[in-house]
Amino acid sequence: DQQVKQNSPSLSVQEGRISILNCDYTNSMFDYFLWYKKYPAEGPTFLISISSIKDKNEDGRFTVFLNKSAKHLSLHIVPSQPGDSAVYFCAAIRPGNQFYFGTGTSLTVIP
Amino acid sequence: DSGVTQTPKHLITATGQRVTLRCSPRSGDLSVYWYQQSLDQGLQFLIQYYNGEERAKGNILERFSAQQFPDLHSELNLSSLELGDSALYFCASSVKSGVFYEQYFGPGTRLTVT
Repeated sequence: DQQVKQNSPSLSVQEGRISILNCDYTNSMFDYFLWYKKYPAEGPTFLISISSIKDKNEDGRFTVFLNKSAKHLSLHIVPSQPGDSAVYFCAAIRPGNQFYFGTGTSLTVIP
Repeated sequence: DSGVTQTPKHLITATGQRVTLRCSPRSGDLSVYWYQQSLDQGLQFLIQYYNGEERAKGNILERFSAQQFPDLHSELNLSSLELGDSALYFCASSVKSGVFYEQYFGPGTRLTVT
């Protein structure tokens, strides 16, 4: 039962443009959402998070938007840089520290 | 370098065998998490320990077990291995075990069951 879904396995974007990565979830009990970035042969790296009581959180070039009614969150990267090329995982946390991850979206930023 | 170390990096073993994966958290981190990443699935949360005690359980099979020792390192034991257990196993650590925290992931152990 995949409670967190990333329906786009891959995304290609031109350098300087906006990258939008999407994530859908099914469980309304999730109270935190996170995005991780993963390079090949490395473990994931925490990127940004958002509480379920907020609808936006920004950190530099990265902004996460949460639409609770649609059970949807998205990560915006502006402007995209070649170094952003990686696999991005969204994750959701339920009370009791239960983590659920999506299957990842591979982002390629074309110079 | 996240400061989280995992050994071994690679492990090849046969079906039916038992293996132990080891994780050393970042200095000062009390919480350790284990995840499995197989080819067709995203990261699956297995289990969390906080200061030696089990804190949360995810999709961990009964054939798998874990523990966290007094020095805070953790071991994940996988027994009666099956082909489907072939995966990348990550451990992560964090300072807190609260609702919101950052996790620092190790580089992973790649397990191949033949």
